[in-house]
Amino acid sequence: DVKVTQSSRYLVKRTGEKVFLECVQDMDHENMFWYRQDPGLGLRLIYFSYDVKMKEKGDIPEGYSVSREKKERFSLILESASTNQTSMYLCASSQGTSRGYEQYFGPGTRLTVT
Amino acid sequence: GQSLEQPSEVTAVEGAIVQINCTYQTSGFYGLSWYQQHDGGAPTFLSYNGLDGLEETGRFSSFLSRSDSYGYLLLQELQMKDSASYFCAVSRGSASKIIFGSGTRLSIRP
Repeated sequence: DVKVTQSSRYLVKRTGEKVFLECVQDMDHENMFWYRQDPGLGLRLIYFSYDVKMKEKGDIPEGYSVSREKKERFSLILESASTNQTSMYLCASSQGTSRGYEQYFGPGTRLTVT
Repeated sequence: GQSLEQPSEVTAVEGAIVQINCTYQTSGFYGLSWYQQHDGGAPTFLSYNGLDGLEETGRFSSFLSRSDSYGYLLLQELQMKDSASYFCAVSRGSASKIIFGSGTRLSIRP
């Protein structure tokens, strides 16, 4: 079974803090993704990576950065957290093949910025 | 631009059949996927259509018409455990680059 794990289920941070969200997958997947999920808006792509040290902006990259130093690990960084970044953050991974549409998701991190 | 449209809520009766529609507008269309998400859980992959037609997986089927930019998810013999949110998702340019719809919340009543 593919397993995608995220470092925290719940996180509370203060405005202006630097926040790190970590994601690890154990299936040697090439692609990794970060989404945020808000009620009524579905899943919106923040960044994705198709290889180590490679990244591409998604639909809502402003205020975020990412790091992928190892194939199994993809980090999302909020340089200076703001209240509008309070959300559920979901990490996912997929094969870098024609089956790349089948994404495997982690349990999510619910981030609250106060 | 790009957009996906799906109903926000659908209610159905246990044992019945329900269809959740999805229309899309996107460049570089590659295929249409469906994901299920229970409250408090992570999305899980259900099905994928890369070509026109019907794909069947047990009680669930998914359909795609590229010419109409339209697809649907069909759930048969509904069970209470099917109460969840269902997301259609479009792959654009490649299988991996996906945008998700805003989701349809399916409620099943006895």
